[in-house]
Amino acid sequence: EAGVAQSPRYKIIEKRQSVAFWCNPISGHATLYWYQQILGQGPKLLIQFQNNGVVDDSQLPKDRFSAERLKGVDSTLKIQPAKLEDSAVYLCASSLGWGNEQYFGPGTRLTVT
Amino acid sequence: GQQVMQIPQYQHVQEGEDFTTYCNSSTTLSNIQWYKQRPGGHPVFLIQLVKSGEVKKQKRLTFQFGEAKKNSSLHITATQTTDVGTYFCAGLSGYSTLTFGKGTMLLVSP
Repeated sequence: EAGVAQSPRYKIIEKRQSVAFWCNPISGHATLYWYQQILGQGPKLLIQFQNNGVVDDSQLPKDRFSAERLKGVDSTLKIQPAKLEDSAVYLCASSLGWGNEQYFGPGTRLTVT
Repeated sequence: GQQVMQIPQYQHVQEGEDFTTYCNSSTTLSNIQWYKQRPGGHPVFLIQLVKSGEVKKQKRLTFQFGEAKKNSSLHITATQTTDVGTYFCAGLSGYSTLTFGKGTMLLVSP
């Protein structure tokens, strides 16, 4: 069974530039999550989708972050414009449903200079 | 909002010693999940506990869920170098989303 795929794996941008991350969840997983993980901390949920609807985006900085999950499969997370404090690993995860075990992708390490 | 706290933040043991990490939630949980993240890797699911007082074992790992469903622990017997990584607990409360603790980083010296 293929795991969660993410791209790119690494990205370096200057502040005020924009960046987009892509995630392909495990086939059949209805729930998709985007997390931000800062070094030395646990993953912090940014947004959770159930199929193509948003379940929770309470911690998403909506003035600069946006995410979509068209057709309830792939998802993209965008940051525009980026700030220095956005430097982190962005993890995508998927699960069969709410409350089930989550499968994480390899993450995208973003460095904002 | 819901908070999940883990202690210790960091532990360094000699191979063969035991290790325990503790997780405490500010609210009663419906379930708790444990994940392991190797250095440079991504979190990998270990186990989920649902029932009050539940104890589950995976080889040398023992997971417990407190009677009040507000705390949990992970105990590793006779650590090995392959146990190195950060162990996260993550709690689910009501209809909220999963909240991760900050993790306990385990270093094992041979």
